[in-house]
Amino acid sequence: SSVLVQPPSVSVAPGKTARITCEGDSIGGERVHWYQQKPGQVPVLVIYYDGDRPSGIPERFSGSKSGNTATLTINWVEAGDEADYYCQVWDSSSDHVVFGGGTKLTVL
Amino acid sequence: QGPLVESGGGVVQPGRSLSLLCSTSGFTFSRYAMHWVRQAPGMGLEWVAFISYDGRNEYYADSVKGRFTISRDNSKNTLTLQMNSLRVEDTAVYHCARDHIPYIATGGTIDYWGRGTLVTVSS
Repeated sequence: SSVLVQPPSVSVAPGKTARITCEGDSIGGERVHWYQQKPGQVPVLVIYYDGDRPSGIPERFSGSKSGNTATLTINWVEAGDEADYYCQVWDSSSDHVVFGGGTKLTVL
Repeated sequence: QGPLVESGGGVVQPGRSLSLLCSTSGFTFSRYAMHWVRQAPGMGLEWVAFISYDGRNEYYADSVKGRFTISRDNSKNTLTLQMNSLRVEDTAVYHCARDHIPYIATGGTIDYWGRGTLVTVSS
């Protein structure tokens, strides 16, 4: 099945914009989803179908995709956004869920 | 407790078996596909298995195929993961999770997660 590559860590100052990337051969042909996981908590879906937000997720969170790279963008970053973020696709060629390795977002 | 509650975890020796149960409530279980996802201590998310809403389609991660079996009982609103021939590397918190869209035969995204049950494989 496919592999999704994320940077291990991203750091950003409060009020700035964080961008977390997810690269993989399957990105272009599949829908990408993003999860936020804070320490000791279960993952929370923050973006689905490349760029849609579930109800309750702030508009500061957005998703985009270009070629084989998907990007989660968090505008006006807050201390409460500090978490691990995972991208995910359903790889239809193998019928597998694939998660990226995760990116730890640190708010400076 | 939430819509998804896992049970059945514990400490087990390598090569032995364990069965996990996910009890669900608050939604029409029979309409939704379900997943098991695990997370080893300090590590990332790893998908384990998927079952369609009607139980007709099952898919497994390569690391567990042939050893684990996912099943569901729509009359009891429960999801099960039977784990055989357990290995040390199967040690993780196992989460029951619901797929986002009802009535699908293949997977998509996950909108609800249980808090998980810890499985420790150790001699």
